[in-house]
Amino acid sequence: QVHLQESGPGLVSPSQTLSLTCAVSDASISRRGYFWNWIRQPPGKPLEWIGFFYYNGATRYNPSFRGRVTISGDTSNNQFSLKMTSVTAADTAVYFCAGGPDLLEFPFFDLWSQGSLVTVSS
Amino acid sequence: EIVLTQSPGTLSLSPGERATLSCRASQRVPGNYLAWYLQKPGQAPRLLINGASRRATGIPDKFSGSGSGRDFTLTISRLEPEDFAVYYCQQYGGSPTFGQGTKVEIK
Repeated sequence: QVHLQESGPGLVSPSQTLSLTCAVSDASISRRGYFWNWIRQPPGKPLEWIGFFYYNGATRYNPSFRGRVTISGDTSNNQFSLKMTSVTAADTAVYFCAGGPDLLEFPFFDLWSQGSLVTVSS
Repeated sequence: EIVLTQSPGTLSLSPGERATLSCRASQRVPGNYLAWYLQKPGQAPRLLINGASRRATGIPDKFSGSGSGRDFTLTISRLEPEDFAVYYCQQYGGSPTFGQGTKVEIK
């Protein structure tokens, strides 16, 4: 059974860079089959797709984050990462990593991590 | 961007009752590529339906999805205690977006 586990700081200072990593077990991020995504959920608010990494190095991002977000893959450790620059309090959220099948141009999401709260505060 | 609007915001029902949740898109969803999720407090969402009507692996047949174009519906035939949660729709015909959610609460 595929397992996703995110890790990273739970507290980030305003204007700094948020960095999270998602370790994938029982699936390979270097093979076709899945898009590897980041999704967030501010407290009490709905879900928001951030973007994905694909096995061939391709990435796609939510236009509302363009320029501030980078998603990359580390195939040697079978993990993928999120970097978000210039964070503000509005970036406080639970961050999920998620897998979605590469059947179309964009995925639905059938694999989820447990989620990690990241708070932006000084 | 395709904006998804879910209604109602909250649905108050009793166990055993039928729940009907709506998701309306600001424009046609290409391919009817619409999914539904259930989320309980403190947990990640769980996929219920993809392709508007296809149940995900292991999802019981009390959950059914329907609709096309701009209007989609999730029906839960008989509510059980574990079904009281927040439900989200998501389109993947373009850059993925989610609705704001419908909370199904115990009346």
